[in-house]
Amino acid sequence: NAGVTQTPKFRVLKTGQSMTLLCAQDMNHEYMYWYRQDPGMGLRLIHYSVGEGTTAKGEVPDGYNVSRLKKQNFLLGLESAAPSQTSVYFCASSRPGQGLGYTFGSGTRLTVV
Amino acid sequence: KNEVEQSPQNLTAQEGEFITINCSYSVGISALHWLQQHPGGGIVSLFMLSSGKKKHGRLIATINIQEKHSSLHITASHPRDSAVYICAVRWYGGATNKLIFGTGTLLAVQP
Repeated sequence: NAGVTQTPKFRVLKTGQSMTLLCAQDMNHEYMYWYRQDPGMGLRLIHYSVGEGTTAKGEVPDGYNVSRLKKQNFLLGLESAAPSQTSVYFCASSRPGQGLGYTFGSGTRLTVV
Repeated sequence: KNEVEQSPQNLTAQEGEFITINCSYSVGISALHWLQQHPGGGIVSLFMLSSGKKKHGRLIATINIQEKHSSLHITASHPRDSAVYICAVRWYGGATNKLIFGTGTLLAVQP
């Protein structure tokens, strides 16, 4: 089925470990986003990309890096995980322009101990 | 003050009731989204609207741009409607389609 696929779905990390979250979309969307969702807060934008080879910081970028080497993939990296990065991470994609919707992935639940 | 505020934060209803969830925003927007998230699940886009009203099945979304307010209505509610409903706005001038999210309304529909 067409859509946004996130891997892994669950992960437990020890403080200081690194990992990469993968987001893949097959809708040929230009724009891709990484959000984190924490209790009592709305989703917050970590990083985003408006096209292959381009990335930009969002609202809460510290501690994360991203890459968009291929149009269909957007990777989120944690170089040295901290307990404050325990969260649910969502990837989303959209096309440019108004009047067009978002498609979200199913989320990655990350726990840093 | 949050730029997007939803009310109520929590809502419990009996099956069959008519439900209204409200969203107010303080920024100029080009579009407003209503999203649904089931417990432990992903996020699904229900509506995107920039004016007027949209209907899909038992769900109706309205927006009043002048009043900076939107409502999501569920008619003949059912336990499977139990979820978190999230309002998000694409602020005017957000050329990259970035959204600002509300904190969500947790709806529980009891049989």
